[in-house]
Amino acid sequence: DQQVKQNSPSLSVQEGRISILNCDYTNSMFDYFLWYKKYPAEGPTFLISISSIKDKNEDGRFTVFLNKSAKHLSLHIVPSQPGDSAVYFCAASAFNNAGNMLTFGGGTRLMVKP
Amino acid sequence: EAQVTQNPRYLITVTGKKLTVTCSQNMNHEYMSWYRQDPGLGLRQIYYSMNVEVTDKGDVPEGYKVSRKEKRNFPLILESPSPNQTSLYFCASSLSNVNLTFGAGSRLTVL
Repeated sequence: DQQVKQNSPSLSVQEGRISILNCDYTNSMFDYFLWYKKYPAEGPTFLISISSIKDKNEDGRFTVFLNKSAKHLSLHIVPSQPGDSAVYFCAASAFNNAGNMLTFGGGTRLMVKP
Repeated sequence: EAQVTQNPRYLITVTGKKLTVTCSQNMNHEYMSWYRQDPGLGLRQIYYSMNVEVTDKGDVPEGYKVSRKEKRNFPLILESPSPNQTSLYFCASSLSNVNLTFGAGSRLTVL
C-alpha cells in the first residue's frame, strides 16, 4: 500500500498561470517532506522541502504547503513557465533506527503550454 | 563538478545473465541508495548504505545485491535478472540521507 500518493498523473497549465501539484500521505510519523523535479533522461533533482513544524515554505516561484491534519501537501508554482514542464515527485521522510528514509509518490507530469 | 555517475546508461540483456550497474559519487557522501522507477509507482528503494560496509534492504530488495567496499562506490548487482526487473534505475547519495543527489539513471531491459 502506497504511503505517499500523487493522485493526478498529469497536469496541464497555461504559461503564466498557477500550477498546483498535490500529494497525500498516510503515515503520521512522516516529519519531513520534499519535492523533486525530473526532466527526461535525467535524474530527479531536489526542488524544495518542508519540515512538519512548518505549514509553508517558499523559494522564489515555488511554495510548498503542508496540512498535517489532512496529511496533505501541495506545491504551487507561480507563475508557471514552459521550462517547468517535468515530472514532479513528492517524497516523505520518517526517522527510524536506520535513519531517515525517503518514500516517494508516483509522480505528476506537469505540462506548461506557451 | 559534484555528481553521481551511473554506468551503463542503457542495457538490454537476457534472463539469467548476471549484470552489474556501477555507481560512483565524488562528494564524499556517507549515504548511498538505489531506486527503481516504474510507471505509476514512483521511486522505490532497493537497497541503501549508511556507510562503508554497512548496507540494508529497502522496500524492493528481492533479486538484487549491493556492496559498499569504498565510500564512493555502490554497485547494484543482478545475479540472475528476470523480465520483471526491466526498469529505470537511479543511484543517489547524500550527506543527510534526506536531500538526495541522483545519478542520470540506467534503463535496463531484460528479455
